[in-house]
Amino acid sequence: QKEVEQDPGPLSVPEGAIVSLNCTYSNSAFQYFMWYRQYSRKGPELLMYTYSSGNKEDGRFTAQVDKSSKYISLFIRDSQPSDSATYLCAMRKGNTPLVFGKGTRLSVIA
Amino acid sequence: SAVISQKPSRDICQRGTSLTIQCQVDSQVTMMFWYRQQPGQSLTLIATANQGSEATYESGFVIDKFPISRPNLTFSTLTVSNMSPEDSSIYLCSVESAAEAFFGQGTRLTVV
Repeated sequence: QKEVEQDPGPLSVPEGAIVSLNCTYSNSAFQYFMWYRQYSRKGPELLMYTYSSGNKEDGRFTAQVDKSSKYISLFIRDSQPSDSATYLCAMRKGNTPLVFGKGTRLSVIA
Repeated sequence: SAVISQKPSRDICQRGTSLTIQCQVDSQVTMMFWYRQQPGQSLTLIATANQGSEATYESGFVIDKFPISRPNLTFSTLTVSNMSPEDSSIYLCSVESAAEAFFGQGTRLTVV
């Protein structure tokens, strides 16, 4: 079992839809959870950062961490064509190297 | 956050040759990280570069294949040596602030 599992998609939704992106993980020691957005031919860009369990909201984006289920989610409300990108989850324990999911490719269709 | 400039942005290279990728950061950082992103795969850490010491390589990566330099606190290079088509990938440098990682735009390498 990989440490971090993420459905690669692709996921295609109409503009305005609510998008749910998810990752599961096996290492219960992970403390820091991140979501990155990566546009084509660009490096990953940090979207959301959460420490331990709970929710965090930033504009149209909400990150959720459920440590009991080893499950993290990123919700995008009122999705826009500009949200079309690959979304990568990442997590770590302390100062150990980040462990990334494979990324989910999202297309928002106008 | 940090601004990271990476070059070249892309290159097409002949097998058996070497390519050196440069990474410049707009602030001084203790550690710089080099990742590989193969098609359909997770970002994989190649090595951690500390200024003034040898780089630390992750399992599956060796210094002879991926030599790294770290001459000062704002700059690092990664060389992909004796390239083969299997080395075709995106290579990314990264720095960290607190527990967050920031990335350059990546170097898309194609080996023919």
